[in-house]
Amino acid sequence: EAGVAQSPRYKIIEKRQSVAFWCNPISGHATLYWYQQILGQGPKLLIQFQNNGVVDDSQLPKDRFSAERLKGVDSTLKIQPAKLEDSAVYLCASSLRAGATEQFFGPGTRLTVL
Amino acid sequence: AQSVTQLGSHVSVSEGALVLLRCNYSSSVPPYLFWYVQYPNQGLQLLLKYTSAATLVKGINGFEAEFKKSETSFHLTKPSAHMSDAAEYFCAVSDGATGNQFYFGTGTSLTVIP
Repeated sequence: EAGVAQSPRYKIIEKRQSVAFWCNPISGHATLYWYQQILGQGPKLLIQFQNNGVVDDSQLPKDRFSAERLKGVDSTLKIQPAKLEDSAVYLCASSLRAGATEQFFGPGTRLTVL
Repeated sequence: AQSVTQLGSHVSVSEGALVLLRCNYSSSVPPYLFWYVQYPNQGLQLLLKYTSAATLVKGINGFEAEFKKSETSFHLTKPSAHMSDAAEYFCAVSDGATGNQFYFGTGTSLTVIP
């Protein structure tokens, strides 16, 4: 069974530029999560999708971050414009359904904002 | 609201010695508790989980954890450390409800000394 795929693995941009990350969850998983993991901290949930609907985006900085999961499968997270403090690893995870007891994580995208 | 506290951001043990990583949780409802391991430049991998069944949970790679409600703890242990155990370990809690948001601790970096 293929795991959660993410691309790119690494991205370096300058502040005020835009960037997008892509995630393809495990086949059949209805729930998809985006996390931000700042160096030295645990992952923090940014947004949770159930199929193509948003379940929780309370911690997403909506003035610069956006995410979509149009067909209920893969998802894109965008930052526009990026700030220095956005430097982090962005992790995507998926689960069979909301309330499932396990989330499966992708390898993450390491973003460096200069 | 749920939260976890991991005591000790860095733990060093000798190869073959006991590994003990501490996690205390706060939850207003019966929690689900998890330990994840993260190797450099990789995503999080589930070690074990507690979902209100047996209080002593056995996971992969010889790790286990015990849920102690009276102490609000879920400490991770392994009788004998191996060099391959060197990694970052995260404790997480969720309420198991429909939203199933995971709250992660800040992580403990385990170093194994040969």
